[in-house]
Amino acid sequence: EVQLVESGGGLVQPGGSLRLSCAASGFTVSSNYMSWVRQAPGKGLEWVSVIYSGGSTYYADSVKGRFTISRDNSKNTLYLQMNSLRAEDTAVYYCARGAVAASARGAFDYWGQGTLVTVSS
Amino acid sequence: EIVMTQSPATLSVSPGERATLSCRASQSVSSNLAWYQQKPGQAPRLLIYGASTRATGIPARFSGSGSGTEFTLTISSLQSEDFAVYYCQQYNNWWTFGQGTKVEIK
Repeated sequence: EVQLVESGGGLVQPGGSLRLSCAASGFTVSSNYMSWVRQAPGKGLEWVSVIYSGGSTYYADSVKGRFTISRDNSKNTLYLQMNSLRAEDTAVYYCARGAVAASARGAFDYWGQGTLVTVSS
Repeated sequence: EIVMTQSPATLSVSPGERATLSCRASQSVSSNLAWYQQKPGQAPRLLIYGASTRATGIPARFSGSGSGTEFTLTISSLQSEDFAVYYCQQYNNWWTFGQGTKVEIK
């Protein structure tokens, strides 16, 4: 059974840092593209970052230069290092697996339950 | 950036009735369009990909159509568990989501 479990959220001051983790089971993180998607309180979904199976990484303009996506293959875990945090980064952060089926490539077929990041003084 | 616009923002429907949700892209996304369902306090769930293909385990009452810039999600006969927020997402050029349509009980 595929499972994604996020952790690492919490309250942080503006300008601070936080590292989110997403522990995966039931599949191999390094064999799929994996993304982080966030949702500000009461708002819609915003794609944040992706890491492809080959290791290439990409970011939304809103977080470029501040956030870093990575993975630890030995732990089958995805990470999001967030630096220089701003109030507008406050959101629930979800990790999501890129769909495995070739016909669905691009969609996200499994999501974690999310972890809340609050940036406030 | 491709902007996705969903309408209406809120749809009030009685159980057993049909619901039709719309999604428009600011430029063509071909058929690279997915629909997700999100209930309060839960993560989104993939319903439809490729504009019209149901994901594994999704009931047949959910159907998607469209290509290019105009897309529709239809729920043929609303069940109590279908009242939720629905998002469209394009994955033709990176990823962007619509702002969501809330389907509420009339």
